[in-house]
Amino acid sequence: DAGVTQSPTHLIKTRGQQVTLRCSPKSGHDTVSWYQQALGQGPQFIFQYYEEEERQRGNFPDRFSGHQFPNYSSELNVNALLLGDSALYLCASSRLKEKQYFGPGTRLTVT
Amino acid sequence: TQLLEQSPQFLSIQEGENLTVYCNSSSVFSSLQWYRQEPGEGPVLLVTVVTGGEVKKLKRLTFQFGDARKDSSLHITAAQPGDTGLYLCAGEETGGFKTIFGAGTRLFVKA
Repeated sequence: DAGVTQSPTHLIKTRGQQVTLRCSPKSGHDTVSWYQQALGQGPQFIFQYYEEEERQRGNFPDRFSGHQFPNYSSELNVNALLLGDSALYLCASSRLKEKQYFGPGTRLTVT
Repeated sequence: TQLLEQSPQFLSIQEGENLTVYCNSSSVFSSLQWYRQEPGEGPVLLVTVVTGGEVKKLKRLTFQFGDARKDSSLHITAAQPGDTGLYLCAGEETGGFKTIFGAGTRLFVKA
């Protein structure tokens, strides 16, 4: 049984560009949450998707958007990239409010 | 806004020493979780504490939830180099689906 997978592993973008990160949840999980983890910090909640809808959102600007597909996989899109968007982006999946399982993350560098 | 503060931020000790990591908040949480994160990986759940005053043991790790459910501690006995990593406490926002993380304690155990 594969755990949570994320792609790509690493990504380098230039300021102003747009990026899409992808997440496949653990088998049997229907809820996907996205987090941003800056260097030396704990993960910060971006948003959570359930039944293809954004269920809750953290304190992130509208440049951050997402989507959940019928197979429960999810994408995180970030527009108009800023240097401060450089971070590790983590995806976590769960079933309802049960234990969250995290993927290995996507390391985004904005130059 | 509910916040979790962890201390110390960084800890470097010799193999065999004991240590305690703290997680504090001014808010009540229905439960708190402790995660361990290694470089290049996502956080892995170690334990969830739910009841005020609860103590849980996981081999050499002892987790305690404060009576008022506002704080928690993690005690490691006879630390080993394999315990090296980032320890994160987290709690679910009251009435929501958002998980709030502390900034983490980075532990380095020298052989």
